[in-house]
Amino acid sequence: QVQLEESGPGLVKPSQTLSLTCTVSGASISGDSSYWTWIRQPPGKGLEWIGYIYHSGYTSYNPSLKSRVSMSVDTSKNQFSLNLNSVTAADTAIYYCARGSLGYNWFDPWGQGTLASVSS
Amino acid sequence: QSVLTQPPSVSGAPGQRVTISCTGSRSNIGTGYDVQWYQQLPGTAPKLLIYANSHRPSEVPDRFSASKSGTSASLAITGLQAEDGADYYCQSYDSSLSGWVFGGGTKLTVL
Repeated sequence: QVQLEESGPGLVKPSQTLSLTCTVSGASISGDSSYWTWIRQPPGKGLEWIGYIYHSGYTSYNPSLKSRVSMSVDTSKNQFSLNLNSVTAADTAIYYCARGSLGYNWFDPWGQGTLASVSS
Repeated sequence: QSVLTQPPSVSGAPGQRVTISCTGSRSNIGTGYDVQWYQQLPGTAPKLLIYANSHRPSEVPDRFSASKSGTSASLAITGLQAEDGADYYCQSYDSSLSGWVFGGGTKLTVL
């Protein structure tokens, strides 16, 4: 079955860039029917959609984060990545990657999540 | 402030039925966009519980059901079990924001 796994540094300093990678197994990231999504959850709070990327490189971002977010895809490694720059403590969260299917509005499956803390 | 509004908490005794509401607006649920529900057990990632308003993945027990009407949706859990204690999130698409939105989450406590 399809599995996703996030990886990246657990600690980032304020004003720096948070970089995370999601490795996909059990499916090709180049599949035409899938798009690849990042979602975050601050500790003890709710879920926030960050954005998605298609294997072609097409992206769509949450307007509230658009000025600081970029995503990329590496089809040779079956991975996609998130960069969030100029981070503050408010960006401390568990970051999840998930798969979406074209034409549908749900996310399944999700990775187990990785905690990224912003602190000096 | 979440775009979709859920009650912060609900509770019920084992065997009882509980419902969780999700209220949106004309730019999301009211436009006809599908509503999804996710279950997040403590310390784990959210898991898809209901998709396209009322459909259950094959592994989800039929004790879970959901519906949508107008600008709102609701999740119902019957025959409440201890393992149903979790956070539940609704999710839809919002045309004004051009992106996906979640409810603030509802913590279900099984008494």
